[in-house]
Formats: sequence, C-alpha cells, structure tokens
Amino acid sequence: NAGVTQTPKFRILKIGQSMTLQCTQDMNHNYMYWYRQDPGMGLKLIYYSVGAGITDKGEVPNGYNVSRSTTEDFPLRLELAAPSQTSVYFCASSYSSGPYSPLHFGNGTRLTVT
Amino acid sequence: AQKVTQAQTEISVVEKEDVTLDCVYETRDTTYYLFWYKQPPSGELVFLIRRNSFDEQNEISGRYSWNFQKSTSSFNFTITASQVVDSAVYFCALGSTGTASKLTFGTGTRLQVTL
Repeated sequence: NAGVTQTPKFRILKIGQSMTLQCTQDMNHNYMYWYRQDPGMGLKLIYYSVGAGITDKGEVPNGYNVSRSTTEDFPLRLELAAPSQTSVYFCASSYSSGPYSPLHFGNGTRLTVT
Repeated sequence: AQKVTQAQTEISVVEKEDVTLDCVYETRDTTYYLFWYKQPPSGELVFLIRRNSFDEQNEISGRYSWNFQKSTSSFNFTITASQVVDSAVYFCALGSTGTASKLTFGTGTRLQVTL
C-alpha cells in the first residue's frame, strides 16, 4: 500500500512564483488535510476536505488554495509565494470524520521561498 | 480555544533509560481526543495512540505507556528502556468532535537516545 503520497519532496521557489503541491491517497479515505510545520512548532491546519468537491479553511489558509475533484487527490496551490510560506507541508487523510479516526500522513514536502 | 503544551523542547537520554514526555492540554469540550505522533528523522509522522476523554485507563504497548489524567489535563508518554530507534520528535495532539479531524498539535519534544 502506498498510503499518502506527496510530490515533490523538496522545492525552492522565488518570491512571487506559484506552484502546486501534489497529494494522492489510495486508501479511499474521504477526509483529506493539508498541514504546515514551521521549525520548532507544531503542525497547523491549512485546508481540509470532507469529500470530493467539498473543501474548507483551516487555521492558516491565507496564501493557499485547494481543490478536490476526486477522492484520491487533494492538491495545494501557492499562487504568489512569500518567504513566510517557507515550511514543511504535510498532506494527511483519514477514514472517517471526527478526531477518533487517526490521520495517515504523507512524507512531507520541504518548501523554501527565497 | 484549544491548546496543547509540550514544555520539554528536547530531552537526551542514554539507551536503556526510561523517559517520560509531558503533554498538557486545554479545552472546553467535554468530549475530546488525545493523540501521540512520532516523527523520526526521516520526516514522516507516525500515529502512536488515540485516547478519548471518557477513557482514563492507562495503556501499555510494549515499551510504550501512556498516562491520561483528566484531573491535571495531562496525557504523558513514557518509553521504558529507551533505544536509539526511539530518537524522534514526538507530538501530542488534541481534537474535538466535529466535521473533520482538525487537530491542535503541541510544539513537539525532540528525544535523543544515545549509546
């Protein structure tokens, strides 16, 4: 089982550039999430989705956009990269709603904006 | 607002020592869930345990044990006879009932186990 797969693993962007972080899962999970992890900090939720076609903002959505056209894929888009978006980004999925369903995480994408 | 505090930023122990990672949480919800995740040097996050607010039984899984105490709002994690492979950052997280697993994470405790 591949689980949750994120690409790329590393990326360096210049200020103002845009990019899409890819996330796909093969567990048929309805719920998917994007978190960012800043150095020395815990993870913060950017966006989440409860199913295809449905997305909602998390704690730190500014500067990001998401879409969920299929159950499997949940890409995260940065339109105008800023140094404050330098972080490690984790995609996750869960089987059901509510926090009693543990999250399955991808291996992360390390993004640097210079 | 929910909050998770992991006051220990970094802990270093020698292999075979026991070590306890502290987690203190704040929530106004009566039903909530607590988690521990492990992040080894390779970077991925690995789920370790989930505990709901109605279950205060301690749990043991091999060398790992968890002590949940509602009276002190704590959910501490103990590793017995630590090993080098336990070296990682450990995150405590809190979630409440809702439409999605919107967890609040602590800042993590980095555990370094040396020979």
